[in-house]
Amino acid sequence: DQQVKQNSPSLSVQEGRISILNCDYTNSMFDYFLWYKKYPAEGPTFLISISSIKDKNEDGRFTVFLNKSAKHLSLHIVPSQPGDSAVYFCAASAAGAGTASKLTFGTGTRLQVTL
Amino acid sequence: NAGVTQTPKFRILKIGQSMTLQCTQDMNHNYMYWYRQDPGMGLKLIYYSVGAGITDKGEVPNGYNVSRSTTEDFPLRLELAAPSQTSVYFCASSYSPGRRKNEQFFGPGTRLTVL
Repeated sequence: DQQVKQNSPSLSVQEGRISILNCDYTNSMFDYFLWYKKYPAEGPTFLISISSIKDKNEDGRFTVFLNKSAKHLSLHIVPSQPGDSAVYFCAASAAGAGTASKLTFGTGTRLQVTL
Repeated sequence: NAGVTQTPKFRILKIGQSMTLQCTQDMNHNYMYWYRQDPGMGLKLIYYSVGAGITDKGEVPNGYNVSRSTTEDFPLRLELAAPSQTSVYFCASSYSPGRRKNEQFFGPGTRLTVL
């Protein structure tokens, strides 16, 4: 039972254009959402997050949008740069998960930014 | 700060062998986690710890054991290696609740192959 889904395994975008990565979730208890970026042979690196009390969070070129009614979030990268080429993971946590912030991850979307 | 370090980077085991994956963090985080990532899949939580001497099971704990004798170290033990344990293993750590508790910092991973 995949509670966090990233239905697009890959995405190719031209440099300078917008990249939109999507994520859907099924667990209504999730109240915090994160995006991680992963380069080959490295561990995931935190990118941006959003609490369920917000519908948008922005950090430089990265913006995350949350639509709670649709159980959907998206990551926008504008403008896309070649260095953004990586695998992006969506993750979620639930307040009722005890004191540890246990994360549930999606399967990832491989973004390739072309020149 | 070195952050989260993991050793070894790569290892090949024979079926039935045992080994310990080492993880150390120097950020004084109370919370530590072990994940595995299978090809084309997201990260799945194996075990986690909320402080020295306290550990608990995650989503996929079978075949693994952990201990947490210090704040810095969180080793993962495989007792009887099986081909199903072929995966990339990531260790992570995070702040205590109330301080960006959901953001986890990951190590570079250990690629394990069981033949």
